[in-house]
Order: sequence, then structure tokens, then C-alpha cells
Amino acid sequence: EVQLVESGGGLVQPGGSLRLTCAASGFTFSSYPIHWVRQAPGKGLESVSAISGSGTSTYYANSVKGRFTISRDNSKNTLYLQMGSLRAEDMAVYFCSREGTPGSYDYWGQGTLVTVSS
Amino acid sequence: DVVMTQSPLSLPVALGQPASISCRSSQSLVFSDGNTYLNWFQQRPGQSPRRLIYQVSNRDSGVPDRFSGSGSGPDFTLKISRVEAEDVGVYYCMQGSHWPWTFGQGTKVEIK
Repeated sequence: EVQLVESGGGLVQPGGSLRLTCAASGFTFSSYPIHWVRQAPGKGLESVSAISGSGTSTYYANSVKGRFTISRDNSKNTLYLQMGSLRAEDMAVYFCSREGTPGSYDYWGQGTLVTVSS
Repeated sequence: DVVMTQSPLSLPVALGQPASISCRSSQSLVFSDGNTYLNWFQQRPGQSPRRLIYQVSNRDSGVPDRFSGSGSGPDFTLKISRVEAEDVGVYYCMQGSHWPWTFGQGTKVEIK
């Protein structure tokens, strides 16, 4: 069974940093690109970042470019999102999602909440 | 970025009645491989999104056949042939042809 489990969310002050983790199981992790998608409270969905299966290619939304870094450790079946210079508008539930078929997410985690507030 | 525009944003439907959600893209979604990466997701209250449809009209395993997707750029449609109580939630279209992948605003389906 494919599982994606996010962790690392919490309360952080504006300008602060946080690292999110997504633990994957039930599939060959290194074979799939994985994405971070976020959802602000009561709002819609926004693609944040993506990384290829090998980790050599990364992609970012303009809203987070230069502040967030996506990475993965295929030996640990784990995805990371290092978030820096956090702003109020970064407050959201962050989901990791598997790109199981081209151009689509076939599995989602349950999400982890990031709260940015002083 | 590609803008995905959904309508309506709110859709009250009586049980057993059909429902239809439209999605329009601001650019062609035909990828360089010839495929159109247009998806539909359902998000029930308090849950993560769940994919219903990929590549315009391919239904995911386990998705009831009352859900169907159709269309060609720039207009796409998700139809529910007979709405059931479990269909309550927000539905999103999403394009995966151009980075960043972008979602529609969401359509809230509720029982009338």
C-alpha cells in the first residue's frame, strides 16, 4: 500500500525556518518524482515544488523560489522541504504527493500544518 | 502561469440529480508528448485531495462510474451522472502540462 506521511509542521515566527519531511512506503521511492502542494486555511491548492526521482532536477513556484529547497534521500525513502524566510502567506497545510503518472498526482499524504505567526 | 478557471464555484444539487463542473485553461494543455494533462480531484471535508480523473477522461481505479471527464482545450468538464451524499466536497481541476502545475479555484458541491 502506497503511503506518504508528512511531519515537521508547527508554529514559526515570520522570517524563521522549518524543515518538512515526507516518509514514503509501499513503492519504489526512487522511481517517482514527488511534489509539495500546499493549501492555505479555507483556500485552494497550490503547487509549491517538485523533484525528480533521482533528485537531480528540482522545480519551484515563483512564490517560494530562493526561500525553499526541496531534496530527497532515496536511501531513506524520504522527501524534504527546507523552508526559510517564512512569511504569513506561507501558512498552510503542506501535502506531499506522488507523480505516479505524468502530469498528475496519484497519491497524497495527510498533510502537515505550518503556522507563521509572531 | 496557466490560469485554470472553474465554474460554478458553488453547486447545490439534489440527490440523484446530475451535476456538471466546467474548467477552462488560459493556454493549450497539449504537452510535447501529445498528451493533455488535465486532472480532476475531489476533496471531501477534512480530507486530502483524491484523484478522480487524469488525462482528461481516464477514471482512477475505485472511482464510481458516475464520474466522467471530457473536453479538449481550452474547455473541460467533470460530470456526475447522479449525485450521492458521499460526493459532497470541493472539486478541483488541475493542469500538469506546464510548470508550475496549477489548479482551478475549486467548486463546492453540496446537497440541495
